Amino acid sequence: DAGVTQSPTHLIKTRGQQVTLRCSPKSGHDTVSWYQQALGQGPQFIFQYYEEEERQRGNFPDRFSGHQFPNYSSELNVNALLLGDSALYLCASSLSGSNYGYTFGSGTRLTVV
Amino acid sequence: KQEVTQIPAALSVPEGENLVLNCSFTDSAIYNLQWFRQDPGKGLTSLLLIQSSQREQTSGRLNASLDKSSGRSTLYIAASQPGDSATYLCAVPYNYGQNFVFGPGTRLSVLP
Repeated sequence: DAGVTQSPTHLIKTRGQQVTLRCSPKSGHDTVSWYQQALGQGPQFIFQYYEEEERQRGNFPDRFSGHQFPNYSSELNVNALLLGDSALYLCASSLSGSNYGYTFGSGTRLTVV
Repeated sequence: KQEVTQIPAALSVPEGENLVLNCSFTDSAIYNLQWFRQDPGKGLTSLLLIQSSQREQTSGRLNASLDKSSGRSTLYIAASQPGDSATYLCAVPYNYGQNFVFGPGTRLSVLP
């Protein structure tokens, strides 16, 4: 039973570029959430997708957008990258309505140069 | 706005010691609290979930307590082992929903 898978594992981008990160949820889960974790800090909630719609959003600018597909997988897009966007991006999946069984992937390490 | 803090930021102990990690949150209107473990460069693994109606939750050598009125939770690790070395994060629900506000974590090193 595969857990949450994220791709790519590492990525280097130049300031001003755009990036797309991908996430496949754990089997049986229908909800995907994204977090940004800067070095030495706890993860910060970006947004959550359920039924292909953004259901909840954290305090992140519109440069951060996402999408959920009919198979429940999800993408995180970041436009106009800033040096400060360098972080570990974590995807978590869950079953709608519960944060019990919330399962995290291993993350994508994004470096903006 | 909910804020979560954790002390200490880092802790180094010899193997076999019992230890306590502390978590504080500013908004006591939470319905649960979770403790997670994170190994370097990896995702998070849920260790314990405490519902607001509970005061304690135990799993093996781990025991977590919750005092909503004072906005505090503690994670007690008994007989620590080198394999316990990791960062421990506590988290409360974000805006009463399904997602989380995390603390900054406590980085634990258990020396053999």
